[in-house]
Amino acid sequence: AQKITQTQPGMFVQEKEAVTLDCTYDTSDPSYGLFWYKQPSSGEMIFLIYQGSYDQQNATEGRYSLNFQKARKSANLVISASQLGDSAMYFCAMRLTGNQFYFGTGTSLTVIP
Amino acid sequence: GAGVSQSPSNKVTEKGKDVELRCDPISGHTALYWYRQSLGQGLEFLIYFQGNSAPDKSGLPSDRFSAERTGGSVSTLTIQRTQQEDSAVYLCASSLAGLTSGRSTQYFGPGTRLTVL
Repeated sequence: AQKITQTQPGMFVQEKEAVTLDCTYDTSDPSYGLFWYKQPSSGEMIFLIYQGSYDQQNATEGRYSLNFQKARKSANLVISASQLGDSAMYFCAMRLTGNQFYFGTGTSLTVIP
Repeated sequence: GAGVSQSPSNKVTEKGKDVELRCDPISGHTALYWYRQSLGQGLEFLIYFQGNSAPDKSGLPSDRFSAERTGGSVSTLTIQRTQQEDSAVYLCASSLAGLTSGRSTQYFGPGTRLTVL
């Protein structure tokens, strides 16, 4: 069963605008972690942001914020003030108690100048 | 450097040959993961090691794939009798152990691009 779902295979955003990348997850574990990674065309996987299942506040890291809606099991990534360098694949991932990670299929973001 | 390293960066082999891919995790990280990423696709989990526990091999696609981790550090992923569908980028990642590590994420290596002719 798919544990992480990213429904947007491709997204476009105008430079300097904000964009939301969707992610929903499925687990019955009460304790889990949610992550977003960026993969530029160079292929490296870059950690962006983390949200713990017990965290009361939404995580923020610079221009990245995670819109965590626990009841809906969603963990959308919001990128504010998009830059050309934000063009990349973005993967949502979930870590469960057994230290296993599950990745979504990714969203390709293109920032338009 | 202190990051995850993988070797070789590129490997071209002929169908039917065996290949070994190596991963050096970050020192002190007890969890090590192998993933496969085909062109334009997401990450496919292959196997993960946690300390001295038996590895989780649930993602290995066939018995041609195996992996070991010696001394709790370096790991080798072996693919026997390679097939053209094995062509992909193989990514290794490491992390601190346990969910109590909180925000501990996986740190990825640069990957090995395998091409089977």
